[in-house]
Amino acid sequence: GIQVEQSPPDLILQEGANSTLRCNFSDSVNNLQWFHQNPWGQLINLFYIPSGTKQNGRLSATTVATERYSLLYISSSQTTDSGVYFCAVVNSGLDGYQKVTFGTGTKLQVIP
Amino acid sequence: EAQVTQNPRYLITVTGKKLTVTCSQNMNHEYMSWYRQDPGLGLRQIYYSMNVEVTDKGDVPEGYKVSRKEKRNFPLILESPSPNQTSLYFCASSSLAGGRYNEQFFGPGTRLTVL
Repeated sequence: GIQVEQSPPDLILQEGANSTLRCNFSDSVNNLQWFHQNPWGQLINLFYIPSGTKQNGRLSATTVATERYSLLYISSSQTTDSGVYFCAVVNSGLDGYQKVTFGTGTKLQVIP
Repeated sequence: EAQVTQNPRYLITVTGKKLTVTCSQNMNHEYMSWYRQDPGLGLRQIYYSMNVEVTDKGDVPEGYKVSRKEKRNFPLILESPSPNQTSLYFCASSSLAGGRYNEQFFGPGTRLTVL
């Protein structure tokens, strides 16, 4: 099956710093999402981004489907950005069904 | 408000005592799914449903059952829970407009402990 790897696995930032999180996938995908899991465990939708670039406030994301990666940019980080960031991809399996696979996650800690 | 709800949010139970975790969505989504999240293993899909009366196994279906009798509801059933099913469970839904998965929306999670 498809492999979805995220990097870095762990990241510590000083408040106000910028960062880039990466999601690599091993096969073509039909769509891709980025999520933030906050310290209380809730999964929050950040971007639905099968291709191209989107921005939402201090966050932006770019997916280059032909090169099999997506990037999540966090600018001017805040302590509330702490948590785990996941990408999730959907691709067509051998049986034709579309399968959802989550990446390994990036654990971000923003310190004041 | 568009949302996916799960109940209960927290549950402590004992081995072998049947339980059901409910999931409901109000977005008229065709696709619904259950995931479990475990430390070091990430989120793994248990079962999914493409529409009413259509369900299929995900990556880790053993020990679980599901049903989809109504479009809005997708309960997860543990007939005889065991301690290795202690986990954080998420329900999700998305539309299948255009014949493909669209944005998935997740419920708040159910933290299950089986003693």
